[in-house]
Amino acid sequence: EDQVTQSPEALRLQEGESSSLNCSYTVSGLRGLFWYRQDPGKGPEFLFTLYSAGEEKEKERLKATLTKKESFLHITAPKPEDSATYLCAVQARNTDKLIFGTGTRLQVFP
Amino acid sequence: EPEVTQTPSHQVTQMGQEVILRCVPISNHLYFYWYRQILGQKVEFLVSFYNNEISEKSEIFDDQFSVERPDGSNFTLKIRSTKLEDSAMYFCASSVATDTQYFGPGTRLTVL
Repeated sequence: EDQVTQSPEALRLQEGESSSLNCSYTVSGLRGLFWYRQDPGKGPEFLFTLYSAGEEKEKERLKATLTKKESFLHITAPKPEDSATYLCAVQARNTDKLIFGTGTRLQVFP
Repeated sequence: EPEVTQTPSHQVTQMGQEVILRCVPISNHLYFYWYRQILGQKVEFLVSFYNNEISEKSEIFDDQFSVERPDGSNFTLKIRSTKLEDSAMYFCASSVATDTQYFGPGTRLTVL
């Protein structure tokens, strides 16, 4: 069964303290892996799509990487406005649906 | 920047009543989706829609649910007879092709 596991569940960082979020997945043929940011009471906001092992994408303080079993979202020198829940989702070949993990709730303190 | 919009933002209904949740996908997108998120739980896929028909649906999407694209811009989710366990955030999403999906802000459905 296709599955996504994210760790840690929650992460508290001091402003400027870099860290990484993990997304482990099992899927019957990966079409794409997606990272989203979700603020409380809002919809998932798209960050990155990764398609194959070794691929990396960057946007401001965020960098996403992909291996055959997991993806990492690296946050460099985070700011309080980076506080949110970060969701990982996978899409298998021959399907439209995204399978989401439970997310990592990130809090960045000044 | 184009975005998916949803109305209403919050819907309160009595158990057994019908509700219709509305979405306006991004204008050049061809694939449309509904997901839901029960409080504190994962985002779950309900249904995908392409070329005026359902292309995929989950086990959650039973006979009580239906989707429609009544005109060139709206995409709706109907729940015929709501149950307490239907209370959740419902998200509409759209994509150009079957890859990156862009989500709306959601409709919070509360069933009393």
